[in-house]
Formats: sequence, structure tokens, C-alpha cells
Amino acid sequence: EDQVTQSPEALRLQEGESSSLNCSYTVSGLRGLFWYRQDPGKGPEFLFTLYSAGEEKEKERLKATLTKKESFLHITAPKPEDSATYLCAVPMDMGRRALTFGSGTRLQVQP
Amino acid sequence: DVKVTQSSRYLVKRTGEKVFLECVQDMDHENMFWYRQDPGLGLRLIYFSYDVKMKEKGDIPEGYSVSREKKERFSLILESASTNQTSMYLCASSFQQGSNQPQHFGDGTRLSIL
Repeated sequence: EDQVTQSPEALRLQEGESSSLNCSYTVSGLRGLFWYRQDPGKGPEFLFTLYSAGEEKEKERLKATLTKKESFLHITAPKPEDSATYLCAVPMDMGRRALTFGSGTRLQVQP
Repeated sequence: DVKVTQSSRYLVKRTGEKVFLECVQDMDHENMFWYRQDPGLGLRLIYFSYDVKMKEKGDIPEGYSVSREKKERFSLILESASTNQTSMYLCASSFQQGSNQPQHFGDGTRLSIL
């Protein structure tokens, strides 16, 4: 069974304090890994797709990387507006076309 | 930009009522999905559809049904609402081409069953 585990559950940073969020997965044949950001009371907002080990994607202060077993979301010099829950997800088996989500990391950046 | 619109942000219904949640997307996506999100349980797939009038059960379909009469619209139906269906409901859509396409989500409907 496909599994996605995110750590830590919650992370509190000071503004400017860089850190990384982890997403480890066990799937039979990775067909992509997705990162989302979710603000309270809103739906997840798509950030990145990574398809193969060694791939990296960047957007402002965020950089996502992928290995064969896990993905990292690096946050460089975060700002309070980066506070949100970050979710990673992998596709379920081909026939279902849906995603299996991790439980998320709740990030709080204090000024 | 992709827009997925859910008809209600907040909804309060009574036990036993038939409840309809509506979702519309404007990107001509073939795939549409309904998830529910609960604290500690994350997002769980209820139903999905890959074409008009086609539907597939997800992980937790019991107590729910869906309808897809038009490509852009996907409805979730709670046949007889129960208190354990109080949750945040999220609709998503994606392109058909394989399972590795990103899904785009609406802002959710927070449903309370009293």
C-alpha cells in the first residue's frame, strides 16, 4: 500500500530562519510527487511537481528536491506570510488517478 | 489560472437530510475528485470521475453518491446526512493524461450536520 509520511507535524521558525520539511514515501513506481500549500479555511494550492530523483524546483523562498525515498521542501529566509500547512502527495495506482496525501507540516513563521 | 468553484463555503444541515455539494471547474479537465479533510486523518478520497457520467469509488464512498452530467460539474450527494459526515469537503480537477497531473482544488465546503 502506498504510504506518505511528513515530518515534522509542526514547525515554528523565526523570520529569516531557514529550515526543511520532509516527505517520505513508499510507492511501487513513482509517477510524480506533488507539493501543496494550504492556508486555514482554504483548499490546497498547487506548488510543485517532481518526477524523478535529483530533480529540483524553486519558487520564491521555496525549493523542492526529490530522492528515491523522500522529498524535501527547503524554506530559505522565511517570512510570516509563508505560514501555512504544507502537504505532499503521490499518485495512487494508475486506475484511480487520485492522490495519496501526507498529513502535512504546519509551519508558523514568527516576525 | 485554473478555477475550481464550490457552491458553498459553509453549510449547516440536519441529520437525515439529503445534501448536495456542487463543484464547477473552468479548465475543461476530464478528471474530477471529491475528498474530505478531517483533523488527524488528512485528505481522503470519496469518489472521482474521469468522464461525463463515469464515476469510481474512492476509499470512503459509504453514505455518498456523485453525479457528473456535464464535464465541468461534479456533484457530491449525502443521501441521508449523519453527524459523522461533518467535515471539510474539497473538490479537485485535473487533466486526463495519466495519473501524474497536478490536481487543482476549490476552497472547500465546511459542512456541519446537526
